[in-house]
Amino acid sequence: DTEVTQTPKHLVMGMTNKKSLKCEQHMGHRAMYWYKQKAKKPPELMFVYSYEKLSINESVPSRFSPECPNSSLLNLHLHALQPEDSALYLCASSQSGEGYNEQFFGPGTRLTVL
Amino acid sequence: ILNVEQSPQSLHVQEGDSTNFTCSFPSSNFYALHWYRWETAKSPEALFVMTLNGDEKKKGRISATLNTKEGYSYLYIKGSQPEDSATYLCALPNYGGSQGNLIFGKGTKLSVKP
Repeated sequence: DTEVTQTPKHLVMGMTNKKSLKCEQHMGHRAMYWYKQKAKKPPELMFVYSYEKLSINESVPSRFSPECPNSSLLNLHLHALQPEDSALYLCASSQSGEGYNEQFFGPGTRLTVL
Repeated sequence: ILNVEQSPQSLHVQEGDSTNFTCSFPSSNFYALHWYRWETAKSPEALFVMTLNGDEKKKGRISATLNTKEGYSYLYIKGSQPEDSATYLCALPNYGGSQGNLIFGKGTKLSVKP
């Protein structure tokens, strides 16, 4: 199984809602990533988990809260988002968190904040 | 923050044409360079990870070269096919890169006309 799955595919939420994005991989990878991609721009890294510990937080606002319950799962909890947070959220995983490991990406969750 | 430049931004070629595009990066503190292909409505897919100056990698009709001393990588597609139409992204790990916190270029969008 070389797939990274993400749910839901699409999400529409209001600014007062709380929702979560989910990501799963069963490749035995020990590093997992959240990226944000706005239209016509490249993906931007948000968080890196390595061996289930948060190793990088790229100065992301606290309304985004990552969680890694185990080595196969990665969540992104959303609360009090703004319309400018509307974007494609991509999850990725790699064998370890080293920079020479290729990253396997999921299809993304398209988030719209009203 | 690491500056990763890709050119051209977009490219339109006829089926059967060979093409190439460039990724430029600072030559100091090089660690690794990634190439990804991103087709519309699909997940980004890793093509190559390159680490050594002079590296050449090949996958079918696609190949890549790396010059770390002058800070560039070329991606070549031989005999382009319509299914090669995608955005090709180059990425390098930030902070001189032992960690997988990739910084992506803006990509080259390739359209292959039948």
